[in-house]
Amino acid sequence: EIVLTQSPDTLSLSPGDRATLSCTASQSVKYLAWFQQKPGQAPSLVVYGASSRFAGVPDRFSGSGSGTEFTLTINRLEPEDFAVYYCLQYGSSPHTFGQGTKVEI
Amino acid sequence: HLQLQESGPGLVKPSETLSLTCTFSDDSVNSGSHSWAWIRQPPGKGLEWIASLSYNGYTYYKPSLESRATVSVDTSKNQFFLKLDSVTAADTAVYFCARQYTNWGQGILVTVSS
Repeated sequence: EIVLTQSPDTLSLSPGDRATLSCTASQSVKYLAWFQQKPGQAPSLVVYGASSRFAGVPDRFSGSGSGTEFTLTINRLEPEDFAVYYCLQYGSSPHTFGQGTKVEI
Repeated sequence: HLQLQESGPGLVKPSETLSLTCTFSDDSVNSGSHSWAWIRQPPGKGLEWIASLSYNGYTYYKPSLESRATVSVDTSKNQFFLKLDSVTAADTAVYFCARQYTNWGQGILVTVSS
């Protein structure tokens, strides 16, 4: 089973700042996605295939990385971006999620 | 626009079976090109993948749940199912179904308690 470790656990920033979220895998990952989750809501897909933005996601979101190191960058944080972000590897079974990074004001 | 809706009992007794249904608004289950998944989230905690059904009919399970979980599909009803046997309080969570991880249901809270 591939273990995903996200860092930091919490990111305290202000609107307009840049957020850099990391996801480190215990072994090489074939496919990685990032999700945003707001309180009381289902997760929503932000990035898939490590670097492809999902339809309708603003271009201030970008994903990068390969192998075992992945990053989600959010430029110029908007108020609606404050949420919890999860990475997911779906290239091998069992699929696994990271523990999440909370981006807070 | 695809819509997914989880349904099932909100309260299950310990040692009983949790049965959930995910109903889709279109014929995606029969399209042969999508995968499906069940994911859960205990209150105040992170996401946990439970199982997937691949586009070609293979099923995959979280190892720690494999002995208790079963996923299946009824293409005639556009429904995807999860059955989890011998539940305990640790199975209390919001359960989500998802297609290809791009479309998610709103989730259903299932509490295991006597």
